[in-house]
Amino acid sequence: DAKTTQPPSMDCAEGRAANLPCNHSTISGNEYVYWYRQIHSQGPQYIIHGLKNNETNEMASLIITEDRKSSTLILPHATLRDTAVYYCIVRVPVRLINTDKLIFGTGTRLQVFP
Amino acid sequence: DTGVSQNPRHKITKRGQNVTFRCDPISEHNRLYWYRQTLGQGPEFLTYFQNEAQLEKSRLLSDRFSAERPKGSFSTLEIQRTEQGDSAMYLCASTLAGTPVPHTEAFFGQGTRLTVV
Repeated sequence: DAKTTQPPSMDCAEGRAANLPCNHSTISGNEYVYWYRQIHSQGPQYIIHGLKNNETNEMASLIITEDRKSSTLILPHATLRDTAVYYCIVRVPVRLINTDKLIFGTGTRLQVFP
Repeated sequence: DTGVSQNPRHKITKRGQNVTFRCDPISEHNRLYWYRQTLGQGPEFLTYFQNEAQLEKSRLLSDRFSAERPKGSFSTLEIQRTEQGDSAMYLCASTLAGTPVPHTEAFFGQGTRLTVV
């Protein structure tokens, strides 16, 4: 049921920017784009979310295309601790519907190497 | 630690036995979710609670599975007559819903890894 498409794996050198793409061509006008990551043997961790404007926080930046059909998560200076599976998820804001469960795909496995 | 706590972290059981997992959400969170994750896959939604009410169940939740959240705080997930196909990581998450802002960040526990032998 996932409505996003991500590459299965990517590599990135430590200290370089990691750019993780996500396609969500069927996204509707009121759906947000969320990113979570899952480090090995841990539960998923929230990173960032956005609707149509680019967003930045202490962890990452989110770039959403003007047509909102794709987005890119940017980790500006990847470290070895950023090695994880990154999930891109689209969802409707909680106040519009009763349930706000996250629908995960298989994500992108990012390997940061020294 | 004020995060989501799950116990036990690991459980090995023989096929046919019953198992129960516990999740303690962040104290002020009113929504609690259970997910299942198998190797190489993303987490799959099982069920969720708003306070003590179970509001949605996935078709993945067969009649051998039951979840409760009796006082709207901690939750338990029981699997009866376990099968080898039940081997997975069981994740719990909690959120605070009903706030004026639409964004609710889900906080996940570290999961309970079940192995059925």
